[in-house]
Amino acid sequence: GAGVSQSPSNKVTEKGKDVELRCDPISGHTALYWYRQRLGQGLEFLIYFQGNSAPDKSGLPSDRFSAERTGESVSTLTIQRTQQEDSAVYLCASSLHRLDGYTFGSGTRLTVV
Amino acid sequence: EDKVVQSPLSLVVHEGDTVTLNCSYEVTNFRSLLWYKQEKKAPTFLFMLTSSGIEKKSGRLSSILDKKELFSILNITATQTGDSAVYLCAVPYSGNTPLVFGKGTRLSVIA
Repeated sequence: GAGVSQSPSNKVTEKGKDVELRCDPISGHTALYWYRQRLGQGLEFLIYFQGNSAPDKSGLPSDRFSAERTGESVSTLTIQRTQQEDSAVYLCASSLHRLDGYTFGSGTRLTVV
Repeated sequence: EDKVVQSPLSLVVHEGDTVTLNCSYEVTNFRSLLWYKQEKKAPTFLFMLTSSGIEKKSGRLSSILDKKELFSILNITATQTGDSAVYLCAVPYSGNTPLVFGKGTRLSVIA
C-alpha cells in the first residue's frame, strides 16, 4: 500500500482481556518495527522484524507481549491479560532496509479500563 | 540511562521566531541520526544525517550533525503555527539496531 496502515485506530478494553493490534507495512519493506508511546513520553522500542530472520524481541516489556509477522507482510502485536499500564499509543513502522529511515503508521491508541 | 537526550523539553515561541532544537547522543558504532516531526500520532521523517558538518535543508528547516561532540541541531526559521509539534531525534543504539528515540521537544508556535 501507499503507507503503513494500522488497525484499529482506537481500542478500549477491560483489564485482563487480550488485544490484538495489526500493522500492514508498505509493500516491499523488509523491516518492520513496533514502538510504544505512553502519554507525554518518547517512543519505546518493542520488537523488530527483518525479512525471514529471527525477530529482535529485546524491547518487549513482559511475556504478556508477543508479535508475529508472516514473511514480509502483515504483523500482529498481541497483549495478553492487559493491564492499565499498557495504555499507550502503539506505533508500527517499516523501512525498505534496516538502515533506511522509517515510515510510521498512524498508530493504535489502546486504553485499558 | 538515556542514550538520546533532547533539549529543551518544551518551547513556546511567536510566529516568525527562529528556534534551535538540540539532540545529544551516546551510542556505539554510530551510523546515522534522524529527525522526525510528530503532530498527532504518526511521526513523519524530516532528515537523516550521517556526516559531520554537512547541513541538510528543507524549506525553513535545516539540520546539522557534529560527530566529534556527539550532537545535532534542528533549526526552524520564520516559524509558523503549523510548525507546532513534537520533534523527535533518534539514532540506532549500536550499528544496525532499531532506532532509539529521545523524549522529544514540544514546540508551540503562537500567533
